[in-house]
Amino acid sequence: DAGVIQSPRHEVTEMGQEVTLRCKPISGHDYLFWYRQTMMRGLELLIYFNNNVPIDDSGMPEDRFSAKMPNASFSTLKIQPSEPRDSAVYFCASSRTGGAVHGYTFGSGTRLTVV
Amino acid sequence: KQEVTQIPAALSVPEGENLVLNCSFTDSAIYNLQWFRQDPGKGLTSLLLIQSSQREQTSGRLNASLDKSSGRSTLYIAASQPGDSATYLCAVRPRNYGQNFVFGPGTRLSVLP
Repeated sequence: DAGVIQSPRHEVTEMGQEVTLRCKPISGHDYLFWYRQTMMRGLELLIYFNNNVPIDDSGMPEDRFSAKMPNASFSTLKIQPSEPRDSAVYFCASSRTGGAVHGYTFGSGTRLTVV
Repeated sequence: KQEVTQIPAALSVPEGENLVLNCSFTDSAIYNLQWFRQDPGKGLTSLLLIQSSQREQTSGRLNASLDKSSGRSTLYIAASQPGDSATYLCAVRPRNYGQNFVFGPGTRLSVLP
């Protein structure tokens, strides 16, 4: 199993540009989570999906953030327009049963820098 | 609302020492608790997962315990090595707050050679 795969590993962009982060969950996992990690706020849940359907997006900070999961093997997190305060590490995680039995598996993250 | 705290925030020990990291949570209604390791600039690696019905889990030099009634978990690391240096996070999967883990802030461990 290749684990949770995220791309790109690093992204540097200028303020105002659109940024798209990508995630491929582990095959057979029916839950997918997007987290953001900063020094100040730690790990924050942004949104999660169950069977490709967004269940809770209350952690999405603003309308500039959007996430999609068009199929069971792919999800995107988009920021448009990006701002310097969006600079953080964005993690994707997947699980079976929502983590109630098997816990979470995290990807390696995307380090986003908005200048 | 479930809250998770970890003490200490940072810990520095000489190589070879046994050490304990602490995790506390406010609501005992959990499915499980998971310990993760995060190396600088890297993702989270799962170390141990303890179900609410279990008291402890062991993997190599690591032993995690869970006392659900008191809202506490400990991660015991035996014979620490410089390669154990990382940030250790605990996370609980609540029964009552939706389908996601609640993370603690982490303990940054440095093992000195």
